[in-house]
Amino acid sequence: GESVGLHLPTLSVQEGDNSIINCAYSNSASDYFIWYKQESGKGPQFIIDIRSNMDKRQGQRVTVLLNKTVKHLSLQIAATQPGDSAVYFCAENETGGFKTIFGAGTRLFVKA
Amino acid sequence: EAGVAQSPRYKIIEKRQSVAFWCNPISGHATLYWYQQILGQGPKLLIQFQNNGVVDDSQLPKDRFSAERLKGVDSTLKIQPAKLEDSAVYLCASSLSFGREQPQHFGDGTRLSIL
Repeated sequence: GESVGLHLPTLSVQEGDNSIINCAYSNSASDYFIWYKQESGKGPQFIIDIRSNMDKRQGQRVTVLLNKTVKHLSLQIAATQPGDSAVYFCAENETGGFKTIFGAGTRLFVKA
Repeated sequence: EAGVAQSPRYKIIEKRQSVAFWCNPISGHATLYWYQQILGQGPKLLIQFQNNGVVDDSQLPKDRFSAERLKGVDSTLKIQPAKLEDSAVYLCASSLSFGREQPQHFGDGTRLSIL
């Protein structure tokens, strides 16, 4: 069935650089998207969300971009720090739906 | 505030045995979720409760999995009998109320290994 997926399974960046994690979705009925961070041995932690009526949303050091035309969203992390090392999941809800569907995740490595 | 508590943290059993997991959500949170996370994959929703009622259990393998949330607070998830394919981390999450834009707060999960 339709699901959320990710382009890259792993991403390695230098400390201080910006990170960009990409996510493609195929369900055109999806209208609400969330990014989660999961550290080893921990549960996922909410980072930021975005509704489909928005193209961009900013948080503290993070920005989510949504391109509905190509069904793509990205998470940008500014000045990446060692503490940002984790697996990042994008997740989606379809219009009127209450079930959150997670993608497979991207592992981010931050090199000191 | 205290987070979502889960126990045990780890469990190892043989196939065909039974196992139960416990979850205590954040105080006052009406909605509770159980997810299964297989290694290398994202969490998959098994069941969602609103207070003590089931909202969605469409992906719960009901022939072997059961869950309850008596009194609308704590919840238990049971597997009987377990299969090798059930090896995974079982995550519990809670949110303040029912709604797709209510942030879900996750516990650290129970890692289940089936021998």
